[in-house]
Amino acid sequence: GAVVSQHPSWVICKSGTSVKIECRSLDFQATTMFWYRQFPKQSLMLMATSNEGSKATYEQGVEKDKFLINHASLTLSTLTVTSAHPEDSSFYICSARRGPATYEQYFGPGTRLTVT
Amino acid sequence: AQSVTQPDIHITVSEGASLELRCNYSYGATPYLFWYVQSPGQGLQLLLKYFSGDTLVQGIKGFEAEFKRSQSSFNLRKPSVHWSDAAEYFCAGNTGNQFYFGTGTSLTVIP
Repeated sequence: GAVVSQHPSWVICKSGTSVKIECRSLDFQATTMFWYRQFPKQSLMLMATSNEGSKATYEQGVEKDKFLINHASLTLSTLTVTSAHPEDSSFYICSARRGPATYEQYFGPGTRLTVT
Repeated sequence: AQSVTQPDIHITVSEGASLELRCNYSYGATPYLFWYVQSPGQGLQLLLKYFSGDTLVQGIKGFEAEFKRSQSSFNLRKPSVHWSDAAEYFCAGNTGNQFYFGTGTSLTVIP
């Protein structure tokens, strides 16, 4: 149990376009989902925390107008990279927390975004 | 500030040799501690976790980790490394809502 999926697993888009990445908890309800960004050979950096039914909380330095996060249901959160630029190319990983009383997060397989 | 440190950026071991990856944490209180492994282009797989209780934690794939409060450490060990263990390893801590990840240790296994 506790499986998190991401779609797509990889995407190539042209500079200036927008791309949406989905994160789903397949067998549990996730009250909170997290979005991370990982550059090559680097660690995961938390971008934002997404709570179902409320606005996401963004980490310092993350542009909320550029990285739109929606957590419309207890099993789905989406990250939309708007007006993508080559510097947005990265590996995006989501995670989901089963409930407020647990500290464990379940990670998705990641989405490789390449902006040309 | 809360942080997790992995002092070794890269480690090379021979197949069959023992392995220890270091992790130190800096928190006001003892955090929940995790070790994850990441293969190239893949997501994170949980190896093991420590919440409380027995300080020696057993995980998957033959890995174990020992929590040492006096040293603020949570080192990952494996008695005999296999070639398939080559990957990136991340230590992480959590005292509340947010995970803090170490910078990772890249493991190379030579035949």
